[in-house]
Amino acid sequence: QQPVQSPQAVILREGEDAVINCSSSKALYSVHWYRQKHGEAPVFLMILLKGGEQKGHDKISASFNEKKQQSSLYLTASQLSYSGTYFCGTEGSGGSNYKLTFGKGTLLTVNP
Amino acid sequence: GAGVSQSPSNKVTEKGKDVELRCDPISGHTALYWYRQSLGQGLEFLIYFQGNSAPDKSGLPSDRFSAERTGGSVSTLTIQRTQQEDSAVYLCASRGSNTGELFFGEGSRLTVL
Repeated sequence: QQPVQSPQAVILREGEDAVINCSSSKALYSVHWYRQKHGEAPVFLMILLKGGEQKGHDKISASFNEKKQQSSLYLTASQLSYSGTYFCGTEGSGGSNYKLTFGKGTLLTVNP
Repeated sequence: GAGVSQSPSNKVTEKGKDVELRCDPISGHTALYWYRQSLGQGLEFLIYFQGNSAPDKSGLPSDRFSAERTGGSVSTLTIQRTQQEDSAVYLCASRGSNTGELFFGEGSRLTVL
């Protein structure tokens, strides 16, 4: 089952913050986040494996609420280089592990 | 090579022809995934392999689509009797462990005239 992402698109000015949400109707084993720039392949950002775990890299972090089957990606003090489409991918628990299904994506535009 | 390699990078074909798309995963990666991305759309899951086996083929759109993987390495996605709605970028990704990240290739852009 495909996860649902929101918002579909967001426009920021450089330095502003953004949150992208991802939710699933199924129990989750893991959540992945990737960023894809126009004409390029998706690039890995992070994986979250445990409920409530928060990971971060530089000014991009994410949380995973296993009970609610939700994850959020936090981008703080956005930079121009953050522009792109962000995808969350989910793996279900119990039997459907390793099948990674992606949401439709969130288009993030950061303007000067 | 160091990354996932896909070929051809671009393929233009006529409606009704068969096409084969190839994926060379990162050496040693046991899991391999195929996704389809239509213009402005998300990543549509097609199929994934664990070794040479495909535990889940549920994403293949029709029986015109098939995929195989040999030697735990190279995979081929075959589309028979192509239709215009098959036009998309076909992305392959490989994974070194069950908790690892996916490494994507640059994709094969298929255009069906």
